[in-house]
Order: sequence, then C-alpha cells, then structure tokens
Amino acid sequence: DVKVTQSSRYLVKRTGEKVFLECVQDMDHENMFWYRQDPGLGLRLIYFSYDVKMKEKGDIPEGYSVSREKKERFSLILESASTNQTSMYLCASSRPRTGRSPYNEQFFGPGTRLTVL
Amino acid sequence: KQEVTQIPAALSVPEGENLVLNCSFTDSAIYNLQWFRQDPGKGLTSLLLIQSSQREQTSGRLNASLDKSSGRSTLYIAASQPGDSATYLCAVRRLDSNYQLIWGAGTKLIIKP
Repeated sequence: DVKVTQSSRYLVKRTGEKVFLECVQDMDHENMFWYRQDPGLGLRLIYFSYDVKMKEKGDIPEGYSVSREKKERFSLILESASTNQTSMYLCASSRPRTGRSPYNEQFFGPGTRLTVL
Repeated sequence: KQEVTQIPAALSVPEGENLVLNCSFTDSAIYNLQWFRQDPGKGLTSLLLIQSSQREQTSGRLNASLDKSSGRSTLYIAASQPGDSATYLCAVRRLDSNYQLIWGAGTKLIIKP
C-alpha cells in the first residue's frame, strides 16, 4: 500500500513565524502535491512537484514556497505565517500520467491542521 | 473554467437506507472523475475512479456512475451503515493536465443508528 506521512497532525504557530510542513511518501512516486482545505471551498492546490527540484505553482501559491531535494520528501514552507493561513494542509503523491495510463490516482496523507495565532 | 459542485452540503439518513450523493461539473472535457472519503481530521481515501470512457465503477456497496454529456456523477451507497459517516468529495481531472484535479466542496454524510 502507498503510504504518505506528514510530520505533524496539529500545529500552532504565531504570526510571522517561519513554518515547515513535511511530507514523505514511500512508493517512489514522481508527483507530489500540497493542498489546503477550507470549509465550503474544497481542496485548493498550492504547489505541485513532478521531480526532484522541479515545481509548479498551483492555484494559490502566494505566501508559500516548496522544497523537493529528495524524491520521497516534499516540504511546504510558510515564510512568514499569517492568520489567513490557518487551515488543513494535505499532501498527496502519484505516479505521472504516461500516455493514456489511467492508474495515476493521488494518494493522500492524514493532513496537518495548522493554526496561526 | 471547470467548476465542480456537490449538493447537498450535508445529508443525514437512518441506517440501512440506500442513498445517492451528487457531483456536477461544468466542462465535459475530463480525463476521469474520482470519489474520495474523508473522516474527521484525517486525509482522503480514494473510493472509486471512473475513466471518461466508462459509465460506472463498483466497489462493494458503492457504485459510482458518470454521465459526461450532462456533467454529472453519482455515488450510490447501498444499505448504509454508521461507519459510512464521513465527508465525500469528488474531483475531476482535466484532459489537458497531467495532474490537475478540480474539487467539489464535499457532502458531509451522517448515518443515524
């Protein structure tokens, strides 16, 4: 089974702090994702990485950066946390889509609930 | 722009009933559609994935259908149990994207014993 783990289940930080959220997957997936989930809005993609050191902005990258130095690990960084970044953060991984392969489901970690005071 | 809507936002039914959850999308140019389950405070578990060429997928008591022309998918849950209580989300993958999922906001389902 694919396993995606996130470093913290709950995190409380203060405004202005630098925050690191870590995600590790054990299935050698090329693709990794960071989402945030807010009530009534569904999941919104923050950043996507398709290979080591490669990244693409998602729908809401402002205020966030990412790091992927190793294939299995994808980090989300809040350079200066703000109260509007209080949210549930979900990491996911998948194989890349190749040709018409349908088997590229995204597998999710348990999430990190971040509160910024 | 693709938009995905799930109505109702919440649903409460007695145990044992069959029920249907709805997902609608505005652009029929999708690669596939996926249904997920999310338990409180937890991540998402994939339930069913339907390719754009398929009409339905089944797993146990779950059956998901897809009608691309009308922009609709349904998740049918047979003989509901309290353990089915969770939030159910649907997401569509765009044809022109390797990875982009567009998500609905979810339906929170409560099964009353």
